[in-house]
Amino acid sequence: AQSVAQPEDQVNVAEGNPLTVKCTYSVSGNPYLFWYVQYPNRGLQFLLKYITGDNLVKGSYGFEAEFNKSQTSFHLKKPSALVSDSALYFCAVRDPGSARQLTFGSGTQLTVLP
Amino acid sequence: GAGVSQSPSNKVTEKGKDVELRCDPISGHTALYWYRQSLGQGLEFLIYFQGNSAPDKSGLPSDRFSAERTGGSVSTLTIQRTQQEDSAVYLCASGSRGFQETQYFGPGTRLLVL
Repeated sequence: AQSVAQPEDQVNVAEGNPLTVKCTYSVSGNPYLFWYVQYPNRGLQFLLKYITGDNLVKGSYGFEAEFNKSQTSFHLKKPSALVSDSALYFCAVRDPGSARQLTFGSGTQLTVLP
Repeated sequence: GAGVSQSPSNKVTEKGKDVELRCDPISGHTALYWYRQSLGQGLEFLIYFQGNSAPDKSGLPSDRFSAERTGGSVSTLTIQRTQQEDSAVYLCASGSRGFQETQYFGPGTRLLVL
């Protein structure tokens, strides 16, 4: 079975400060990990993914995420937050040995304060 | 090229009625997924199509839910005898590269059952 946890329902950060949105996962094999962002009344927009290789993955809009196998984490980061980054963020995992569908975390609402 | 499109964007129906939701995947994508996003359940997998293979229906919550994919492209999700608990946003996604694929999501259909 595959599962994802996003321990924070809400993250608030001041504009210009670094942001981190946390994600931990559980799979039986090597995970494929994804971050998506959802703006109000919109579908999910792909940000970045980790499949293999370099543990630091860079994605759209200046976001990056670090895969940490020992801590089973895949936290999303950005060095300097923008007000326009305010949205709902979802972490997702796929165990390539068992499933094609993604399993999503519960989502983290990020609010960047001006 | 065009992204994933879904129709209608909003649907209001009365309890007991049948509804059909449509998804047009990205051209050339062989994989198509339906997910449901609701307040109490988060994002949950419903059904997956891959090419001409039999679909993975393991996420369908009841036999009132069914889906088909005609000609390996457009998909229709049908909910029969709708219930109030079916109210949710129904998201469609498509992908093209096997287990390493990125799933690209449509804007969703917001279903409200009165």
